[in-house]
Amino acid sequence: KQEVTQIPAALSVPEGENLVLNCSFTDSAIYNLQWFRQDPGKGLTSLLLIQSSQREQTSGRLNASLDKSSGRSTLYIAASQPGDSATYLCAVRGGDSGYALNFGKGTSLLVTP
Amino acid sequence: DVKVTQSSRYLVKRTGEKVFLECVQDMDHENMFWYRQDPGLGLRLIYFSYDVKMKEKGDIPEGYSVSREKKERFSLILESASTNQTSMYLCASSFGTGNTGELFFGEGSRLTVL
Repeated sequence: KQEVTQIPAALSVPEGENLVLNCSFTDSAIYNLQWFRQDPGKGLTSLLLIQSSQREQTSGRLNASLDKSSGRSTLYIAASQPGDSATYLCAVRGGDSGYALNFGKGTSLLVTP
Repeated sequence: DVKVTQSSRYLVKRTGEKVFLECVQDMDHENMFWYRQDPGLGLRLIYFSYDVKMKEKGDIPEGYSVSREKKERFSLILESASTNQTSMYLCASSFGTGNTGELFFGEGSRLTVL
């Protein structure tokens, strides 16, 4: 079964720093990988979707990369802001999971003013 | 923008009650999903559906059933609620018959079973 791991589990940085969140997965036969943001008590907001044939995707200050062969993805956040404070989740579709996504447990990010 | 709407944000039910959680999406998506989210366990898939009247079990289907009579609506049913079903329930949808569609989530329904 596909296992998705996110490190670190929690991260605190001062405003303005560039930061990297990590995601690893055990089965490299994936269809795509998606990064989400979740604010406390709310649903998940899609940030970036990377198809298996792609190496990276960018949206504003966010850049996500995918290395299927090593089973890794990173989410890069440039010039972090207090409003970026949230939990970031990585999810992978593929391997034996078929249509559904397998989620990591997330990285809880706190950006302090 | 894609909108996935869950009918109730907060529910409190008694043990043994039948509970319906409703989810509607407005983007004509083929695929719909129900997850539950618990601290320390993350998101776990309960059921999903890739077409009207079709359903597939996820990782934790026990104690749940689903209904998809119309393309835009996917309902999660707890036949006899138990305290271990207290959780945040998240509905999601995606486009397409393949496996490449982006997943969009609703705001979640927090269920407490007393």
